[in-house]
Amino acid sequence: AQSVTQLDSQVPVFEEAPVELRCNYSSSVSVYLFWYVQYPNQGLQLLLKYLSGSTLVKGINGFEAEFNKSQTSFHLRKPSVHISDTAEYFCALFYNQGGKLIFGQGTELSVKP
Amino acid sequence: EAQVTQNPRYLITVTGKKLTVTCSQNMNHEYMSWYRQDPGLGLRQIYYSMNVEVTDKGDVPEGYKVSRKEKRNFPLILESPSPNQTSLYFCASSFDSNYGYTFGSGTRLTVV
Repeated sequence: AQSVTQLDSQVPVFEEAPVELRCNYSSSVSVYLFWYVQYPNQGLQLLLKYLSGSTLVKGINGFEAEFNKSQTSFHLRKPSVHISDTAEYFCALFYNQGGKLIFGQGTELSVKP
Repeated sequence: EAQVTQNPRYLITVTGKKLTVTCSQNMNHEYMSWYRQDPGLGLRQIYYSMNVEVTDKGDVPEGYKVSRKEKRNFPLILESPSPNQTSLYFCASSFDSNYGYTFGSGTRLTVV
C-alpha cells in the first residue's frame, strides 16, 4: 500500500533562516510527488511537483524539493524564510489508479521575527 | 478565472438531516475528488471520479454519497449526518495526474 509520512508536525524557525520539511513515502509502484501549502482559512495551493527527470524540482515562492528514490524521500527546502511563509505544508503522493492522491499529516511551519 | 467553487463555506446542521455540499469546476477537468481534513490526520480522500458517471470510493467513504452527472459538478451528499462527520471538506479537480489537483476554498461542516 502507498503511504506518506511527514516527520515533523511543527517546525518553528526564525525569519531569514533556512528550513527543511521532511517527507518520506512508501510505494511499490512509480508515483508522482507533490507539496501543497495551506494558508490559514484557505484551500490548498500547489507548491511544486516531481513527475520524472531531474530530482531537484523548483516551485513557487522560492521553495525547492529533492526526490531521493533510494531513501524514498521528498524533502522540501527554502534557503531563507519569510513571515509570510507561515502556513501548513502537505506532502502528497499520486499513483495512477483513478486519481487517488494520498496526503501526509501536514507540517505547521511557524516563522518568527 | 479558473477555479473550484464549493458551497456553502460554513454549515451547521443537526444529526440526521440530509445535506448536500456542491462543487463545481470551470476548467473542463476529468478528475474530481472530495477530501476531509481533520487535525493530526491530514487530508483523507472520501470519493473520487475519473469522468462523468465514473466514481469510486476513497479511504473514508462511509456515510457519504457522490454523483457525477455532468463533468463540471461533483456534489457530496450526507444522507444522515452524524457528529463524527464534523470536519473541513475540500473539493478538488485535475486535468490528469501530471498536473496535481486544484482545490476549492473548503466547507466547514459542524453536525450537532
